[in-house]
Amino acid sequence: KAGVTQTPRYLIKTRGQQVTLSCSPISGHRSVSWYQQTPGQGLQFLFEYFSETQRNKGNFPGRFSGRQFSNSRSEMNVSTLELGDSALYLCASSLGAGVNTGELFFGEGSRLTVL
Amino acid sequence: GEDVEQSLFLSVREGDSSVINCTYTDSSSTYLYWYKQEPGAGLQLLTYIFSNMDMKQDQRLTVLLNKKDKHLSLRIADTQTGDSAIYFCAEPISGNTPLVFGKGTRLSVIA
Repeated sequence: KAGVTQTPRYLIKTRGQQVTLSCSPISGHRSVSWYQQTPGQGLQFLFEYFSETQRNKGNFPGRFSGRQFSNSRSEMNVSTLELGDSALYLCASSLGAGVNTGELFFGEGSRLTVL
Repeated sequence: GEDVEQSLFLSVREGDSSVINCTYTDSSSTYLYWYKQEPGAGLQLLTYIFSNMDMKQDQRLTVLLNKKDKHLSLRIADTQTGDSAIYFCAEPISGNTPLVFGKGTRLSVIA
């Protein structure tokens, strides 16, 4: 069974630009969560989608948005990029709340550098 | 708040035991997790413990849970250089997902 796939793996953008990151969950998984990982803040929860609906949202500004498609694939978008948005963005999938131990399966991440 | 606390660094000699500690926040958490992150990779579930257990052993790994003090620990016996990684403690925000992670403990194993 294929794991969680994130694209692109690496990207460089400049301040003010916008970026879209993609995540394909494990087949059969309906929940997708996104995290931002930085050396100073660790792993910060961005949002969680289940069956195309945003179920939970972390404490990030409105420049960060996401969506989930009917095939459970998810995208996140960051507009008006700032230097502080440089981070590893991790996507994780799971079957969904209430049906299992809640284990998250992570992709390898998309490393964003903002210049 | 939703802060999961961990010490940031741990250094041990190969063959010794490693103990990584964590303090979590929500006494109603059903499961508590340990994840491992190797350089350049995403996180991988190492083990988890159900909240009605005090201890769980899985080969070289032992998880201890003290619900009264909201304290979770991970012991790695006979630590090897391949165990060098960042270890994250995690608990659910609500229900089973999503998870709140500690900042991670970087384990360095000295040969």
